[in-house]
Amino acid sequence: GDSVTQMEGPVTLSEEAFLTINCTYTATGYPSLFWYVQYPGEGLQLLLKATKADDKGSNKGFEATYRKETTSFHLEKGSVQVSDSAVYFCALSASSNFGNEKLTFGTGTRLTIIP
Amino acid sequence: DAMVIQNPRYQVTQFGKPVTLSCSQTLNHNVMYWYQQKSSQAPKLLFHYYDKDFNNEADTPDNFQSRRPNTSFCFLDIRSPGLGDAAMYLCATRPKWTHNEQFFGPGTRLTVL
Repeated sequence: GDSVTQMEGPVTLSEEAFLTINCTYTATGYPSLFWYVQYPGEGLQLLLKATKADDKGSNKGFEATYRKETTSFHLEKGSVQVSDSAVYFCALSASSNFGNEKLTFGTGTRLTIIP
Repeated sequence: DAMVIQNPRYQVTQFGKPVTLSCSQTLNHNVMYWYQQKSSQAPKLLFHYYDKDFNNEADTPDNFQSRRPNTSFCFLDIRSPGLGDAAMYLCATRPKWTHNEQFFGPGTRLTVL
């Protein structure tokens, strides 16, 4: 079945440090890939997405590239801020029944940025 | 703004006392999902509606039921909450015919005393 393997947390970085959170996946067909962010006490917000191989999703300084050859979708940001502290979930959407897709989530990575 | 709304944001119930959580959306999306999220875990899909078609996950306890009276509203009923049902409950929506993202509500935090 489909699965997402995500970098274990928690991750603690200093402000302005470079961030990488690794994500690899296993899926049949051609999944869409997502990064969601969850701030304390809130629901999930879409951070970025990519729907086909070699697509790069980007938002708020975060980037991730859909790499089919390595089945990866690593999240990166060049200079993190305290406000980036949150839990990040990598997810994929794939279905053998088009139109009825479900999300498969990774376990989440808690990121804390210290001033 | 179009959005997914969940009420209440915080719900306290007693052990065994039925509780209903609600979700509404102004996005006019065909698909609606209910997730359970426990502390430090990923969301776990309970069930979803594709239009009026109900799809239950195989491991969702019978204690959990859902209703979708129209496109805009969806309810999660917990018939006899146990202590293990304390969690954040997330509602999400998605338009059909897309390989696209889900839009999440802010969640309802359920406490069982």
